[in-house]
Amino acid sequence: DTAVSQTPKYLVTQMGNDKSIKCEQNLGHDTMYWYKQDSKKFLKIMFSYNNKELIINETVPNRFSPKSPDKAHLNLHINSLELGDSAVYFCASSQAPGGDYGYTFGSGTRLTVV
Amino acid sequence: ILNVEQSPQSLHVQEGDSTNFTCSFPSSNFYALHWYRWETAKSPEALFVMTLNGDEKKKGRISATLNTKEGYSYLYIKGSQPEDSATYLCAFSLTSYDKVIFGPGTSLSVIP
Repeated sequence: DTAVSQTPKYLVTQMGNDKSIKCEQNLGHDTMYWYKQDSKKFLKIMFSYNNKELIINETVPNRFSPKSPDKAHLNLHINSLELGDSAVYFCASSQAPGGDYGYTFGSGTRLTVV
Repeated sequence: ILNVEQSPQSLHVQEGDSTNFTCSFPSSNFYALHWYRWETAKSPEALFVMTLNGDEKKKGRISATLNTKEGYSYLYIKGSQPEDSATYLCAFSLTSYDKVIFGPGTSLSVIP
């Protein structure tokens, strides 16, 4: 069983479209995250939720909106997609916000905007 | 702006060699330091999380040390094997509720 699963794995879409990426964890963790891998391969935090409550909201365009229906799910919705949104997006989870026991990552979603 | 730095950026070693990399982080405040192993086309996998100055952790041939007073951590790999080829990321957080900031990684290639 995959601990942190993201869908879809690949997403190719046209500029201006709205798309969602889903993430689910079956580890019983309280905290979930979205990271973006930028062009230099850096992992940059976007959002973090702890028990469905938003605790970290980095400076990202407001076209990006996370939603956590329960603590096992954290979805990322992106409106009006732009070319610069093309990247790999990683979901992760941890037992507690500070990641005391490390993060468990999903396998990533490669988003390509054409 | 808080930065985590890692050196070297990349490293090529022969099979059987031992190697080490450095992670530097701001030492003013500290909560936890993480090391991850990231193989190509896979997701990062946690190796160690260290919270106390002087911590040393070991998993098989890989070990790590932590100096929070001077703001650095070392990762050691003893007797490198081709399967150790990966990018090694370190990450640091200031408080228990703060974001974890990732470094750029050290890319290791082990030549058979």
